Amino acid sequence: DTAVSQTPKYLVTQMGNDKSIKCEQNLGHDTMYWYKQDSKKFLKIMFSYNNKELIINETVPNRFSPKSPDKAHLNLHINSLELGDSAVYFCASSRGFNQPQHFGDGTRLSIL
Amino acid sequence: GDSVTQMEGPVTLSEEAFLTINCTYTATGYPSLFWYVQYPGEGLQLLLKATKADDKGSNKGFEATYRKETTSFHLEKGSVQVSDSAVYFCALPSGGSNYKLTFGKGTLLTVNP
Repeated sequence: DTAVSQTPKYLVTQMGNDKSIKCEQNLGHDTMYWYKQDSKKFLKIMFSYNNKELIINETVPNRFSPKSPDKAHLNLHINSLELGDSAVYFCASSRGFNQPQHFGDGTRLSIL
Repeated sequence: GDSVTQMEGPVTLSEEAFLTINCTYTATGYPSLFWYVQYPGEGLQLLLKATKADDKGSNKGFEATYRKETTSFHLEKGSVQVSDSAVYFCALPSGGSNYKLTFGKGTLLTVNP
């Protein structure tokens, strides 16, 4: 069984469009995250959620809006996509902060 | 703030060679330390961890020792295999309540047969 699953795996779209990425974890974890990985493989935290509540927004433009309908899900909606948004986005979860994180396989977003 | 400095690659080795990937950190207190591995086209997987000074984490033949005196957590493997080809990330929990992982820049390892 997949522990952290993201959909879609690939997303190709035009600049200016709005898109969503879904994430679900079946590990019973309380804490979920979104990371962005650029073309040089550098990973940066975007958001952390604990028990469905936003803990941190790490200087992410407000075009990015996470939503956690329940503890097992953390979706990411992106408005008005820009070329610089092209990257791989990873969802992750953990039992709590300071614990190892489990990652999904990533969503590769390409903006044309 | 907290940071991780990791040896930059790429690193190319022959099968059965010895591997070292250096990692040093700057942190408040003594956080847990992690090594993650990312195989091509996949997400990150926890490779090993250490939770306090002098702890040695180990998994799949890889080892790393938490050295408080040198603020280091170097990754080693005595004999690499082609299947070890991947990107390796050193990381530590950071932020006010350790709410995020701060990663090193990653080291691409390629092992040739």
